[in-house]
Amino acid sequence: DIQMTQSPSSLSASVGDRVTITCRASQGITNYLAWYQQKPGKVPKLLIYGASTLQSGVPSRFSGSGSGTDFTLTISSLQPEDVATYYCQKYGSGPQTFGQGTKVEIK
Amino acid sequence: EVQLLESGGGLVQPGGSLRLSCAASGFTFSRFAMSWVRQAPGKGLEWVSAIGYNGGSTYYANFVKGRFTISRDNSKNTVYLQMNSLRAGDTAVYYCAKDTYSSSPFYFDYWGQGTLVTVSS
Repeated sequence: DIQMTQSPSSLSASVGDRVTITCRASQGITNYLAWYQQKPGKVPKLLIYGASTLQSGVPSRFSGSGSGTDFTLTISSLQPEDVATYYCQKYGSGPQTFGQGTKVEIK
Repeated sequence: EVQLLESGGGLVQPGGSLRLSCAASGFTFSRFAMSWVRQAPGKGLEWVSAIGYNGGSTYYANFVKGRFTISRDNSKNTVYLQMNSLRAGDTAVYYCAKDTYSSSPFYFDYWGQGTLVTVSS
């Protein structure tokens, strides 16, 4: 099975900072990658699919890039409401696998 | 408005069984695959199982194969997860998730609020 590894596992940044989260697949997955945001005590929310397509209604400060094995989620200007844990997910053939999550906090 | 309402969680002894249900509304249920995703307390998301739009295809994570069975009733807009031989490691909130594709699991655009399953003696 393909494994998904996120880094870092947690980060602390200031409001307005640019934040980058990395997700690496153990094998190539073309662009079959989604990103989710889970705020404390809430249900996961789809942010990005196809590695770089923003889900409707998601603020434009979120962006995704990458293909093959290496992917990135970027928050261009961190806002207080972005405090959450972010997960990548590989989809398509085989088991659907999530990364272990990256917890984002405000410094 | 899309709504997914899970039910059936609770406390069960190791080796026991539970049947989870997820009632869907607000979209054409029979056109989309559905999945179950779980989250152990304080842990990350873990995909469990999926079923194609007409129930003809089912998919399972390796750790539940032979123990869990997913099914759906399109006349009732409901997806089920029958869980047998439960272990302590199955303790988690189980989320029902709507897929964006019809036949096989893809990514999930709507999630239910979850139902807690606790396996303990």
